[in-house]
Amino acid sequence: AQSVTQPDIHITVSEGASLELRCNYSYGATPYLFWYVQSPGQGLQLLLKYFSGDTLVQGIKGFEAEFKRSQSSFNLRKPSVHWSDAAEYFCAAGGSNAGNMLTFGGGTRLMVKP
Amino acid sequence: KAGVTQTPRYLIKTRGQQVTLSCSPISGHRSVSWYQQTPGQGLQFLFEYFSETQRNKGNFPGRFSGRQFSNSRSEMNVSTLELGDSALYLCASSLGTGINTIYFGEGSWLTVV
Repeated sequence: AQSVTQPDIHITVSEGASLELRCNYSYGATPYLFWYVQSPGQGLQLLLKYFSGDTLVQGIKGFEAEFKRSQSSFNLRKPSVHWSDAAEYFCAAGGSNAGNMLTFGGGTRLMVKP
Repeated sequence: KAGVTQTPRYLIKTRGQQVTLSCSPISGHRSVSWYQQTPGQGLQFLFEYFSETQRNKGNFPGRFSGRQFSNSRSEMNVSTLELGDSALYLCASSLGTGINTIYFGEGSWLTVV
């Protein structure tokens, strides 16, 4: 069965510090992968996606993620965190035959210290 | 262009009632899917519709149903509401063929009392 794991439930970083959120997947074939962000009371906003090709993908708000097939990982990074980045981040995986059926990780709540 | 639109945004229902939630996808998108988000279970896939046909279904009881109209708009219905159905219900849309970017709406907050 497909699964997505985000090992860190909460992460706190200082404003201006770098950030890495971890995501590991277990999928039958090479999945396509997404990172979404959710602010309190809001829906999910797409940060970036990986379908194929270049394993380092750039997204909005200065985020990037790297697909590592050998580690079954798709970690999200940002070189310098802003206070407005405080939110919950979700990693999700889907398959080419799965339509819009995504499997989500449990989420990582990011807090930013001033 | 407009994003995924969900109505209503907030609603309160009584146990045993039924509820219908509506979703308008991004213009040109033919696939609509629904997810339930709760603090305990996280984000769980309910079902997906493409060209008015259910294409995938998650592991939810038959009280949860949906449909899609010819203009790609979708509705989901929950009958005989239970307290545990209180959740944020998210709708997502995509072009629907091949591997697509999936966009989510703001969600409908359902509280069952």
